[in-house]
Amino acid sequence: QKEVEQDPGPLSVPEGAIVSLNCTYSNSAFQYFMWYRQYSRKGPELLMYTYSSGNKEDGRFTAQVDKSSKYISLFIRDSQPSDSATYLCAMSAVAGTASKLTFGTGTRLQVTL
Amino acid sequence: DGGITQSPKYLFRKEGQNVTLSCEQNLNHDAMYWYRQDPGQGLRLIYYSQIVNDFQKGDIAEGYSVSREKKESFPLTVTSAQKNPTAFYLCASRWADRGMGAGAGELFFGEGSRLTVL
Repeated sequence: QKEVEQDPGPLSVPEGAIVSLNCTYSNSAFQYFMWYRQYSRKGPELLMYTYSSGNKEDGRFTAQVDKSSKYISLFIRDSQPSDSATYLCAMSAVAGTASKLTFGTGTRLQVTL
Repeated sequence: DGGITQSPKYLFRKEGQNVTLSCEQNLNHDAMYWYRQDPGQGLRLIYYSQIVNDFQKGDIAEGYSVSREKKESFPLTVTSAQKNPTAFYLCASRWADRGMGAGAGELFFGEGSRLTVL
């Protein structure tokens, strides 16, 4: 069993929909959680970062962490075609040490007109 | 413009050949990383370096080698010992390996190099 599980999709939604992307994990020591967005044939870019449990909002994006369920989510409101990309979750247990990041496999999102 | 430049974008290799992927950054970052991305797998760390002339193995270092002679540069050599080298390779950098927030900063990625073994 992988430490981090992420549904690969593809997930197809109409423009304007609310999108929910999720990751589950098994390592209870994880406490730093990130979401990256990766456009086709490009490198990932950091979207959201949260520490421990709770919600964090940035514009149309909300990251949610539920440590009791070992479950994290990224919500995208009013989705746009430009949101079409692969979304990777990543998490770390060791004071945010980058070399200890564990990545999910990514969920491919397609927002249609 | 500050960023990370990877070259070449696409590379074809015959079996038994070594190839070197270039990674250059002008962000003045101390830490640099090489990841491999395969379909159905998360990014996996190959090697990382926290300072010039020093580097550490990641989770899948076998069949790869690196050097860090300059702060800006962290080339990756895929050797003939790597059994399944066809993949998308990503280079990344950060102010420091440890820590979160403004002190260490986010992980910046290059645009990747796609290696295909013929």
